[in-house]
Amino acid sequence: AIQMTQSPSSLSASVGDIVTITCRASQDIRNDLGWYQQRPGKAPKLLISAASTLQSGVPSRFSGSGSGTDFTLTISSLQPEDFATYFCLQDYDYPLTFGGGTKLENK
Amino acid sequence: DVQLVESGGDLVQPGGSLILSCAASGFTFTTYWMNWVRQAPGKGLEWVANIKEDGSEKHYVDSVKGRFIISRDNARNSLYLQMNSLRAEDTAIYYCVRDDVYYTTNYYSRFDYWGQGNLVTVSS
Repeated sequence: AIQMTQSPSSLSASVGDIVTITCRASQDIRNDLGWYQQRPGKAPKLLISAASTLQSGVPSRFSGSGSGTDFTLTISSLQPEDFATYFCLQDYDYPLTFGGGTKLENK
Repeated sequence: DVQLVESGGDLVQPGGSLILSCAASGFTFTTYWMNWVRQAPGKGLEWVANIKEDGSEKHYVDSVKGRFIISRDNARNSLYLQMNSLRAEDTAIYYCVRDDVYYTTNYYSRFDYWGQGNLVTVSS
């Protein structure tokens, strides 16, 4: 199975900060990667697919980049509602696999 | 509006069985792949299984192969997960998830709608 290594596992930041989260795949997955946000007690929400395609309705402060094995989710100006946990998901091959998650906390 | 409503979660003993259901509405169910994703308490997400629009293709994570069966009834707009030989490590919230597969240069998945989740607890 393709392993998705997400870092950091937790991150403290403040409103207005620029935040970067990374996912590394154990093999080349082209750009078959999505990013999801999960708030406490809620179902995950799709932010980005195909590594960089912003889902409709998602604020433009979210962006994704990367291909091959290294991927990045960037939040350009952190807002209060962005404090949540973020996951990457590779859909290149079965079994589909998620990264371990990054918990973004208010400093 | 798209809605996915799971049901069937319960407390079950190790070795027992359970069927989860997901009632879909607000979209043309027959044109979407569907998935089950689970999350153990306080842990990350784990993809469990998916099924093609017409039910002709199914995939599973290794840890559930031979124990879980995903199925769908397109006439009832419903997705199911039959879970057998349940183990303590199957304890989790199970989400029903729509996959909006699309094609540009490749096929891509978009897990664009999730149910509210249903708790399955395996314990004696």
